Amino acid sequence: EVQLVESGGGVVQPGGSLRLSCAASGFTFDDYAMHWVRQVPGKGLEWVSLISGDGGSTYYVDSVKGRFTISRDNSKNSLYLQMNSLRTEDTALYYCAKDTVGYTYASEFDYWGQGTLVTVSS
Amino acid sequence: EIVMTQSPATLSVSPGERATLSCRATQSVSSKLAWYQQKPGQAPRLLIYDASTRAAGIPARFSGSGSGTEFTLTISSLQSEDFAVYYCQQYNNWPPVTFGQGTKLEIK
Repeated sequence: EVQLVESGGGVVQPGGSLRLSCAASGFTFDDYAMHWVRQVPGKGLEWVSLISGDGGSTYYVDSVKGRFTISRDNSKNSLYLQMNSLRTEDTALYYCAKDTVGYTYASEFDYWGQGTLVTVSS
Repeated sequence: EIVMTQSPATLSVSPGERATLSCRATQSVSSKLAWYQQKPGQAPRLLIYDASTRAAGIPARFSGSGSGTEFTLTISSLQSEDFAVYYCQQYNNWPPVTFGQGTKLEIK
């Protein structure tokens, strides 16, 4: 059974940092690209970032470029999102999601975690 | 960036009736279009990918159609568990992958 479990969310002041983690199980982790998607409570979905299966390629939505860094440790079946210079508009539930077929590219997302809440507030 | 626009924002339908949800892209996404269902307090669930292929375990009452810039999700006979928010997503031109703003399907 595929499982994705996020952790690391919390309350942080504007300008602060957080590191999110996503523990994956039930599939061959390094065969798939992985994504972070966020959702402001009560609002829609926003794609944040993608990392290829080998970690060699990364992509970001413009609003987080230069502030967020996606990474993975295939030996630990784990995905990460380092978030620096956080802004109030980064407040959201952050999901990790598995790409269905993509290794270096995006397709649809067949499994999602339950999300971890990040609140940026003074 | 490709903008995905869903209509209507809210759709009120009676159980047993058909629901038709629309998604439009600002430029062609070929057939690289997925649909997700999200219930309160839950993560999104993949329903349809490549515009018309049902994901594993998705009932046959869910169907997708379209290509290019116009897409439709049809639920043929609504069950109580189908009332939720539905999102479309394009993955043809990225980054960024983009989602529509969602259609809330509510009980009439």
